[in-house]
Amino acid sequence: EAQVTQNPRYLITVTGKKLTVTCSQNMNHEYMSWYRQDPGLGLRQIYYSMNVEATDKGDVPEGYKVSRKEKRNFPLILESPSPNQTSLYFCASRSPWTEPVFGPGTRLTVT
Amino acid sequence: GNSVTQMEGPVTLSEEAFLTINCTYTATGYPSLFWYVQYPGEGLQLLLKATKADDKGSNKGFEATYRKETTSFHLEKGSVQVSDSAVYFCALSPEGANSKLTFGKGITLSVRP
Repeated sequence: EAQVTQNPRYLITVTGKKLTVTCSQNMNHEYMSWYRQDPGLGLRQIYYSMNVEATDKGDVPEGYKVSRKEKRNFPLILESPSPNQTSLYFCASRSPWTEPVFGPGTRLTVT
Repeated sequence: GNSVTQMEGPVTLSEEAFLTINCTYTATGYPSLFWYVQYPGEGLQLLLKATKADDKGSNKGFEATYRKETTSFHLEKGSVQVSDSAVYFCALSPEGANSKLTFGKGITLSVRP
């Protein structure tokens, strides 16, 4: 089944404790992105990647890092999480000719 | 820059009522337009899309027409069901191969039996 998977689905952590949210797709898509969803703000793009070793900032990149060492994986790294990063995070992938496919989401709480 | 504006919510309807959710956009050229739906506790699913002016996207009884002259992509359904209760997002993707979607703020629809 073609899909985007994210892990973990739920995470509660404390301020300053580094964490990684993984994202993997099995559709051989070139493009991958991370979004955060906040009430009243919709979804905003954090980072995106056009292909392996090619990443760029989205609208809200502060406090986040990403890497794209393999085509199928696009992890989101929070080096020092803060409470304002409490949010629902979505990974998405697409090819140049298709609409994005979204993962199931990761609900992160930073206390 | 690109932007998407959705009508303010939430919206509460009775079952079998007619639904319209307004969406207007700002973008250069001819972006692709999308409606995504998020059911409670789930991720985003593509509901329908349109890639050029006057295209009508449709799925599960929902429809939306790409209106270039009014820069709109309003979502409609003739008779809503309780199972349509969800959050609906309008989004656009710029002309050309580009990874970024620009989303509206989303609107919560609740349908009463």
